[in-house]
Amino acid sequence: NAGVTQTPKFQVLKTGQSMTLQCAQDMNHNSMYWYRQDPGMGLRLIYYSASEGTTDKGEVPNGYNVSRLNKREFSLRLESAAPSQTSVYFCASTILAGAGEQFFGPGTRLTVL
Amino acid sequence: DQQVKQNSPSLSVQEGRISILNCDYTNSMFDYFLWYKKYPAEGPTFLISISSIKDKNEDGRFTVFLNKSAKHLSLHIVPSQPGDSAVYFCGRGNAGGTSYGKLTFGQGTILTVHP
Repeated sequence: NAGVTQTPKFQVLKTGQSMTLQCAQDMNHNSMYWYRQDPGMGLRLIYYSASEGTTDKGEVPNGYNVSRLNKREFSLRLESAAPSQTSVYFCASTILAGAGEQFFGPGTRLTVL
Repeated sequence: DQQVKQNSPSLSVQEGRISILNCDYTNSMFDYFLWYKKYPAEGPTFLISISSIKDKNEDGRFTVFLNKSAKHLSLHIVPSQPGDSAVYFCGRGNAGGTSYGKLTFGQGTILTVHP
């Protein structure tokens, strides 16, 4: 039981490049989330998917898109990376939205030059 | 307004003493609260939670207190251990309303426990 896995662990992009961050969970959770963590800002919600087939914007969605590929997988795409998107990105999941604790992946450290 | 604020960026305590981490929030009726711990280069891990209908919840060395009149949440760690040194985030979840299922986190407090 791997929990929540994220790939890649590290990535360096140039401004304007695109990339997709992958997230998968093997806990049969219904809800999945993408956060970014910046110094002094805590964890901020980018997008979430309360259940397979649904996605909704969080606090900081601009510049990102998401896809809930199936129940296990939830990807985050940066279409045209900007230096302001340099951050650590965390994926999380929970059995049901509003049910309580979320389980987090190990994170992806992204640098945009 | 769903703000959650941790006003102390850092806290330093001696091993064996009590650590008290604080969090303030804005008003809402249908919430629950959680504390997460995060080590460098790892994802946050869940520590303890409390429903908005309770005042206190304990789990081993960790106790969370909820003061609804003051809109204040605190995490007590007794006794503190060097392994508790980490960043602590308080989070607030919505069990109802338009923000159902979302967690809002504070800025984090860096706890350092000295041997």
